[in-house]
Amino acid sequence: GDSVTQMEGPVTLSEEAFLTINCTYTATGYPSLFWYVQYPGEGLQLLLKATKADDKGSNKGFEATYRKETTSFHLEKGSVQVSDSAVYFCALSGLGMRFGAGTRLTVKP
Amino acid sequence: GAGVSQSPRYKVAKRGQDVALRCDPISGHVSLFWYQQALGQGPEFLTYFQNEAQLDKSGLPSDRFFAERPEGSVSTLKIQRTQQEDSAVYLCASSLAGQGRNEKLFFGSGTQLSVL
Repeated sequence: GDSVTQMEGPVTLSEEAFLTINCTYTATGYPSLFWYVQYPGEGLQLLLKATKADDKGSNKGFEATYRKETTSFHLEKGSVQVSDSAVYFCALSGLGMRFGAGTRLTVKP
Repeated sequence: GAGVSQSPRYKVAKRGQDVALRCDPISGHVSLFWYQQALGQGPEFLTYFQNEAQLDKSGLPSDRFFAERPEGSVSTLKIQRTQQEDSAVYLCASSLAGQGRNEKLFFGSGTQLSVL
């Protein structure tokens, strides 16, 4: 069945460091791909999405490109802030969204 | 309301007890999903409603789990004869359109269930 695999955490970075969180997927057909974020004490919220191959989703300085050839949707940010500390989930569309296990990011000042 | 509301926020149950978890989606949202999130894991799909119709219940782990949305708005997830392995956070999400495909999901804060 359809699934996503994302890099295990936790990830700890210093402020202004470069961030990459890897995500690969397995799917039949052409799913849409998503990154959701869960800040401490809050519910999951959509960070960005891409609906077809080569699309780039971006929001709040984060971006991810839908790569069909490598079945990947890696999340990147050029300069992280303390406020980016959260758990990040890669997901793919379907009748029920399929989520990865999540990657906890901690950014230290 | 402004967002998806779930209650209770925390529930402690003795093994064998029945529990009922409530979800109040955003007004007018057609699609409603239930997910189970174990500690350190991503949300796992349980079931999906389009209005009052339960279109997919393939993720429900056993016949002890039952969900309903009788009037197409509020939904209840019921777990009968709870077991320790049912301990998890139960998330509800809604989206504006039907089918839920390619749609932005709005999540509640979840109900944390602990079965002792």
